[in-house]
Amino acid sequence: GAGVSQSPSNKVTEKGKDVELRCDPISGHTALYWYRQRLGQGLEFLIYFQGNSAPDKSGLPSDRFSAERTGESVSTLTIQRTQQEDSAVYLCASSPQLGGGYFGPGTRLTVL
Amino acid sequence: GESVGLHLPTLSVQEGDNSIINCAYSNSASDYFIWYKQESGKGPQFIIDIRSNMDKRQGQRVTVLLNKTVKHLSLQIAATQPGDSAVYFCAEIPTSGTYKYIFGTGTRLKVLA
Repeated sequence: GAGVSQSPSNKVTEKGKDVELRCDPISGHTALYWYRQRLGQGLEFLIYFQGNSAPDKSGLPSDRFSAERTGESVSTLTIQRTQQEDSAVYLCASSPQLGGGYFGPGTRLTVL
Repeated sequence: GESVGLHLPTLSVQEGDNSIINCAYSNSASDYFIWYKQESGKGPQFIIDIRSNMDKRQGQRVTVLLNKTVKHLSLQIAATQPGDSAVYFCAEIPTSGTYKYIFGTGTRLKVLA
C-alpha cells in the first residue's frame, strides 16, 4: 500500500486478556517504530527495529509487552494480561534508513 | 530526552497571524530533524525536515529554523488557518548509529477565529 497501515483500528478487551496489534510498514522501509500515546499526551517510545539488527526494546514498560518483526515486513506488538493502564493509542511508524518517518493511523486500545 | 506522556503546552493564535512553535532537543549527535502535525484522532503527519548542515528550510507556509549552538528547533507557520489546529511534535534523529527517533513533548496549536 501507499502508507503505513495498522490493524485493528479499534480494540476493546477485558482486563487480563492478551491482545495483538499489527503494523504493515511502507515497503522498503528498514526502520519500524512503535509508540504509545495516551489521551492528550505526547508520544511514548516503546520499541524500534532497524533492518536485521537487534531491536531496541528500551521503551517497553513491562515484560507483558513484546514485539516482533520478520525482516523488513510486518510487525506485531503483543500485550499480555492487559491492564486498564494499557488503554491508549498505539502508533506504528516506518522510515527508510536516512529519511522521514511515516506514521500509521494507530490502534485505539481500550481495556475494560 | 524521550517524550514520556507529559501534558501538552498550548499555543493560541489568531487566524491570519504567524505561529512559532519551539522545541529544545537533547542529543548533540542528532543531525536530522522533523516536524510532525497530529490532528485529532489521526497519526502524526510529516510536515518538514531539516538536516544539521542547514539552519533554515522553507516549505509551503512553513519554515523550520535550526540553532545547533543552543540545540533549538522552531516551526514557523505563516498566516495561520483553522486547519492548522493540531498538536505539533519535533523529532530528532542521529543519522549514525541507531537512527532512533526521539520526540519532543508536543505543542497544541489552537487557531482562534
